[in-house]
Amino acid sequence: SAVISQKPSRDICQRGTSLTIQCQVDSQVTMMFWYRQQPGQSLTLIATANQGSEATYESGFVIDKFPISRPNLTFSTLTVSNMSPEDSSIYLCSVERDRVGGGFFGPGTRLTVL
Amino acid sequence: GDSVTQMEGPVTLSEEAFLTINCTYTATGYPSLFWYVQYPGEGLQLLLKATKADDKGSNKGFEATYRKETTSFHLEKGSVQVSDSAVYFCALSVPTSGTYKYIFGTGTRLKVLA
Repeated sequence: SAVISQKPSRDICQRGTSLTIQCQVDSQVTMMFWYRQQPGQSLTLIATANQGSEATYESGFVIDKFPISRPNLTFSTLTVSNMSPEDSSIYLCSVERDRVGGGFFGPGTRLTVL
Repeated sequence: GDSVTQMEGPVTLSEEAFLTINCTYTATGYPSLFWYVQYPGEGLQLLLKATKADDKGSNKGFEATYRKETTSFHLEKGSVQVSDSAVYFCALSVPTSGTYKYIFGTGTRLKVLA
């Protein structure tokens, strides 16, 4: 199993600012994933982060808005840039369990933008 | 494209009632199917999975059978408890960039009354 921690667990931010969310895994993993869960809605994949290469973004998400770093096999960051109230969501980090085993998810970062 | 459709909630049941949460999917190929659970204030946890047609996933009294002919993966439990109150997400895995990403349904909130 994998244990995933995220920092911060929650934050309240002002419009126009940026927040960087950290994700730490207790074991080395090839792929890390960032999801967004908007209030009352399901999870939507933002991007896939592979160590040593640029992240791959899903349709509707761009690097300028959600830059991602993946400096090593146990750590990743997601930055939410130039925030607006529409960015208020829970942001979750995930790693793959195995090829078909489902994923492990972090506890999430609850972001509120005023 | 690939998608997951879940029955809308909330679902309110009395303790010991029978639970069914419907889930159907659209996918190319043969995805693996999953049910995740999110208890109040907690992160997302894998509840059960099935990797091929006619597989039955089970855990904690919950069951779901991978039905290829009806593209369904309905979640069932014979006797629910108050502690089962949570949001349940159906999901499927699709290949991407040499790994797998997960597409989630909208989630179904279950409330069990004592």
